[in-house]
Amino acid sequence: QKEVEQDPGPLSVPEGAIVSLNCTYSNSAFQYFMWYRQYSRKGPELLMYTYSSGNKEDGRFTAQVDKSSKYISLFIRDSQPSDSATYLCAMKGAGKSTFGDGTTLTVKP
Amino acid sequence: NAGVTQTPKFRILKIGQSMTLQCAQDMNHNYMYWYRQDPGMGLKLIYYSVGAGITDKGEVPNGYNVSRSTTEDFPLRLELAAPSQTSVYFCASRLAGGRTDTQYFGPGTRLTVL
Repeated sequence: QKEVEQDPGPLSVPEGAIVSLNCTYSNSAFQYFMWYRQYSRKGPELLMYTYSSGNKEDGRFTAQVDKSSKYISLFIRDSQPSDSATYLCAMKGAGKSTFGDGTTLTVKP
Repeated sequence: NAGVTQTPKFRILKIGQSMTLQCAQDMNHNYMYWYRQDPGMGLKLIYYSVGAGITDKGEVPNGYNVSRSTTEDFPLRLELAAPSQTSVYFCASRLAGGRTDTQYFGPGTRLTVL
């Protein structure tokens, strides 16, 4: 069983929709939770990071961590075609980061 | 700052050939990483380095070698290329000591082994 499981997708939504991207994990030592965005044929770039449980908001993006359920989510409000990308969750405890396999999102105008 | 740079962008190798993928960063980051990303899959760690002269294996090191003689450079060597090494290779770096694990990625090298 993988340490990090990410909803596989792909996901296709109309412009303006609310998008929910999700990951579950098994390692209770994870404390840092990140979301990376990867545009086609580019390297990943950090979008959001959260320490421990709770919510963090940045514009249209909200990252949510529920350590008791070992579940993290990224919500995108008022999705735009420019949000079309692959989203990778990543988690870290004392060691190296572990990445999910990514969810590819397409937002249609 | 150029950030993390990788060369070449694309390469086609024949089975059994060797090559070196170059990676450089100008942010004075201690940690550097090499990942491979197969289609529809996440990032698999090949090798990493916590500083000049120190390297260690990741999840999938077989068929690869690395060296880190300077803080800036972290080349990845493929010996005896095999079709299973067809992938996109990403180099990344981060600064040690921060609370986050923000990794800065290069643009990737697309490698095809035929």
